Amino acid sequence: AQTVTQSQPEMSVQEAETVTLSCTYDTSESDYYLFWYKQPPSRQMILVIRQEAYKQQNATENRFSVNFQKAAKSFSLKISDSQLGDAAMYFCAYRSNAGKSTFGDGTTLTVKP
Amino acid sequence: NAGVTQTPKFRILKIGQSMTLQCAQDMNHNYMYWYRQDPGMGLKLIYYSVGAGITDKGEVPNGYNVSRSTTEDFPLRLELAAPSQTSVYFCASSPGQATYEQYFGPGTRLTVT
Repeated sequence: AQTVTQSQPEMSVQEAETVTLSCTYDTSESDYYLFWYKQPPSRQMILVIRQEAYKQQNATENRFSVNFQKAAKSFSLKISDSQLGDAAMYFCAYRSNAGKSTFGDGTTLTVKP
Repeated sequence: NAGVTQTPKFRILKIGQSMTLQCAQDMNHNYMYWYRQDPGMGLKLIYYSVGAGITDKGEVPNGYNVSRSTTEDFPLRLELAAPSQTSVYFCASSPGQATYEQYFGPGTRLTVT
């Protein structure tokens, strides 16, 4: 069974600074997909970024980028130029090629003005 | 498109009662999921379906049942409700390939007393 571990229950960052959220996973599969989702207080789950395991190039979406290390089974999220609206709970998620999905326990990000 | 809809939004059950959480999507997605989220925690997969007539267990299936008779609907049945089933329940859907993100409903907050 796949597992996803987020070792930082809480993180804080100063507005306009950069923060990195950690995620490691365990799997015996070679083909899979990784995602970061954001959950603000409204509870709505919002996709931040995705990464296909077969791609070596790290995904980027505006201020969000990932550091994907397949051999180390690591998938960290970097948020640059942090904004107050980035404050939320962030979840790392693994999805197998067959569609089964596993989420980490989340990291609560606080952005200080 | 309404996206993923869930009913009810809130429900209080007494121990031993049963109920069905409804989930529907109008995006013609093949994959559908049920998760539960306990306070301050991540999402745990209860059941998922890769198409009409096909369902499979996730991490925490005990105490729940599902059916998928149509592409659009994926109801979750709770039999003999227990306090341990107090949680927020999310339904999600996704197109047929694992690379795509999951689209989440707004959630159902269930309390069992």
